Amino acid sequence: DTGVSQDPRHKITKRGQNVTFRCDPISEHNRLYWYRQTLGQGPEFLTYFQNEAQLEKSRLLSDRFSAERPKGSFSTLEIQRTEQGDSAMYLCASSLIPGAMDTGELFFGEGSRLTVL
Amino acid sequence: TQLLEQSPQFLSIQEGENLTVYCNSSSVFSSLQWYRQEPGEGPVLLVTVVTGGEVKKLKRLTFQFGDARKDSSLHITAAQPGDTGLYLCAGASDYKLSFGAGTTVTVRA
Repeated sequence: DTGVSQDPRHKITKRGQNVTFRCDPISEHNRLYWYRQTLGQGPEFLTYFQNEAQLEKSRLLSDRFSAERPKGSFSTLEIQRTEQGDSAMYLCASSLIPGAMDTGELFFGEGSRLTVL
Repeated sequence: TQLLEQSPQFLSIQEGENLTVYCNSSSVFSSLQWYRQEPGEGPVLLVTVVTGGEVKKLKRLTFQFGDARKDSSLHITAAQPGDTGLYLCAGASDYKLSFGAGTTVTVRA
């Protein structure tokens, strides 16, 4: 068990550029979540996957944001035409949920910090 | 807007003192979790409470879930500098967690 890993840890980009973050969840975890956290706030839900299916997207996820989990393993979060307001820590978490259980312990990665200049 | 309100926002105490952090909501949750987060790291789960009125103790930490499953508290006895961090409560509903804004706890040696 190597934990949830995220890459890159830090990204500085200019406004208008595209960025992509990658998350490798704990092996065999079926659920994968993306959260965004800004300074002084708790994590805010963005989206989640059950295996390869994206089951819910927050209204925070504008059309500039897209997330994929093509084979039910790693996931990517892409932000197109970045804006300064996108600056935040992007956290990925995974969990192993049996059956129809609501939610269980989320194992978080260390996050990818985005700074948009 | 956070579904869960945490108070206080900041707490600074001397080593050996006790502290309590509160988490309140108007929503009912199937379970409530407490996480601790250190700078530059992701949150780490401390405890999950499921049953209304439930009390869980983990060494010097005591967690309580309200009878109506809308609120919770975290009490730390004889705080130590290693308890310093951001404490987050999170309610489980609709297959996801909703987090409070957190309480930043600083324990001075």
